[in-house]
Amino acid sequence: SQQGEEDPQALSIQEGENATMNCSYKTSINNLQWYRQNSGRGLVHLILIRSNEREKHSGRLRVTLDTSKKSSSLLITASRAADTASYFCAQRDSSYKLIFGSGTRLLVRP
Amino acid sequence: NAGVTQTPKFQVLKTGQSMTLQCAQDMNHNSMYWYRQDPGMGLRLIYYSASEGTTDKGEVPNGYNVSRLNKREFSLRLESAAPSQTSVYFCASSDPNYGYTFGSGTRLTVV
Repeated sequence: SQQGEEDPQALSIQEGENATMNCSYKTSINNLQWYRQNSGRGLVHLILIRSNEREKHSGRLRVTLDTSKKSSSLLITASRAADTASYFCAQRDSSYKLIFGSGTRLLVRP
Repeated sequence: NAGVTQTPKFQVLKTGQSMTLQCAQDMNHNSMYWYRQDPGMGLRLIYYSASEGTTDKGEVPNGYNVSRLNKREFSLRLESAAPSQTSVYFCASSDPNYGYTFGSGTRLTVV
């Protein structure tokens, strides 16, 4: 399978804490993207990091990319109950395909 | 609102029946995709269309066919539905250097 792996599979934290999710992938990439999926809903694009970038920020989100280790991480700072969702990383290679990992289920307790 | 529209939202089929899932986007994107998502799993690519007039197989194409009708529309057809095709189906569109925009999904049950 071309799918990457995400770690942890599930994460439960208290509101206000930071949440870190990790993603590993197998092939060379053009870019790596993170998505959020609320229960029973479609996926929402959060952030895209290109292969020549090492870190990117968007509001409370921080994404890092290490192409030598074929890994990425997503940090959500000062988490809120509304951040409860599944988070997926997806790798885009030189074709137009986007390959998704299995996701991390995040629960933020009020 | 601009985005990706999928129809229908829900469908129940009997084994062996056929159906077509419709998808349309109004963002003038060149590329469109069909994914399936099974419980507790990520998305798996069924077929994609890099541009109007082209289609290619993804990870799990068996049992499906697609048609890129025009730049806006990309349909997915199940010729003879099987219980293993029970899933949630998502259509998406994109431009090469930007994130994907997903539809809200079609929940398909094959009994």
